[in-house]
Amino acid sequence: GENVEQHPSTLSVQEGDSAVIKCTYSDSASNYFPWYKQELGKRPQLIIDIRSNVGEKKDQRIAVTLNKTAKHFSLHITETQPEDSAVYFCAAEAIWAGGTSYGKLTFGQGTILTVHP
Amino acid sequence: EPEVTQTPSHQVTQMGQEVILRCVPISNHLYFYWYRQILGQKVEFLVSFYNNEISEKSEIFDDQFSVERPDGSNFTLKIRSTKLEDSAMYFCASRDIPRTSGRVGDNEQFFGPGTRLTVL
Repeated sequence: GENVEQHPSTLSVQEGDSAVIKCTYSDSASNYFPWYKQELGKRPQLIIDIRSNVGEKKDQRIAVTLNKTAKHFSLHITETQPEDSAVYFCAAEAIWAGGTSYGKLTFGQGTILTVHP
Repeated sequence: EPEVTQTPSHQVTQMGQEVILRCVPISNHLYFYWYRQILGQKVEFLVSFYNNEISEKSEIFDDQFSVERPDGSNFTLKIRSTKLEDSAMYFCASRDIPRTSGRVGDNEQFFGPGTRLTVL
């Protein structure tokens, strides 16, 4: 089955700096890679996602890059703000594999991001 | 904006008791999921459900677990005989038909707020 590794486990930055979180996956059938932000006691919320036929996607201060050959993908947050402080999870899923589209998300271990004012 | 809802928000039970966790997915969604998150750990897949049957389950989802969609709106997770290690946050998620547009969120699994299960 799929295995997703995420690093670092904690990341501390100053407000305005950039933050980068990296993930690797093992299953070449995975073709969808979402990133979720989870605040304490709350539900995971999607912040950005990327499909395997795309190398990079940006949405305002957030970008995701994917290297399908190396099986790794990264989240980049620029101009960080204190409200970006949360736990970030990467995930991988094979949505369109084998003619089915049920999918199941395999999550990384999470990164606790702290942005200091 | 439509949201996935879950009840109860917190359930405390004694070991060996049965619990039913309830979810109301987003109304036009077709795919339903249960995940769990032990405190401080990652979110783990339990089961997926489509067309009124289980499509996939993890090794965590043993004979003590079952899922049901008893009507057109509810999706339930039952744990027949709870164990201490079942203590976790349980998230329900739902999704529409996956799309290939590439727009952020077109393949999103929408998560509910979770039910915190505490087994004593």
